[in-house]
Amino acid sequence: GDSVTQMEGPVTLSEEAFLTINCTYTATGYPSLFWYVQYPGEGLQLLLKATKADDKGSNKGFEATYRKETTSFHLEKGSVQVSDSAVYFCALSLYNFNKFYFGSGTKLNVKP
Amino acid sequence: EAGVVQSPRYKIIEKKQPVAFWCNPISGHNTLYWYLQNLGQGPELLIRYENEEAVDDSQLPKDRFSAERLKGVDSTLKIQPAELGDSAVYLCASSLGTYSSYNEQFFGPGTRLTVL
Repeated sequence: GDSVTQMEGPVTLSEEAFLTINCTYTATGYPSLFWYVQYPGEGLQLLLKATKADDKGSNKGFEATYRKETTSFHLEKGSVQVSDSAVYFCALSLYNFNKFYFGSGTKLNVKP
Repeated sequence: EAGVVQSPRYKIIEKKQPVAFWCNPISGHNTLYWYLQNLGQGPELLIRYENEEAVDDSQLPKDRFSAERLKGVDSTLKIQPAELGDSAVYLCASSLGTYSSYNEQFFGPGTRLTVL
């Protein structure tokens, strides 16, 4: 079935370190891919998205490239800040279904 | 523009009691979603509405859960009776509602339910 698998956390980094959070997917058809972020006590917010193969989504210094050949959508940031501490969710959506599948989330802790 | 509004933010009840959650989506959003989020997990869809119609309720435990969206705007999710395992965060989200996977979902802050 359709699903998303992302690396388990927590991930703990020092400020200004490089971040990678791995995400792979299984889907029938051609999904769109998303990264959502959830700050403590808040709802999920869309961070970035990519709607077709080889697209790169980017926002707030975060990037992810839709890799169809490896069915991956890894999240990267060159230099993390303490304010990036949150839980990050990878998700996919299938065209014409309006249905989302979320990964289990990866908690990021950034230390000063 | 106001975001998705949910109430209450927190609810503590005894098992076997009923509980209800309310959601008001972003104005103009035809699609409304209710998700269940267990601790340390991603959201799992309970039910999706297109206007007043529940178009996907396959994951809703219908023996104890019910939902309604009578006028195609705000929605209520009810549990009766609540069980210990229902303790979780209940998230509401909305989107414009076109049949496209480009559709962005906007999430409310959630209702944290604790069943004692």
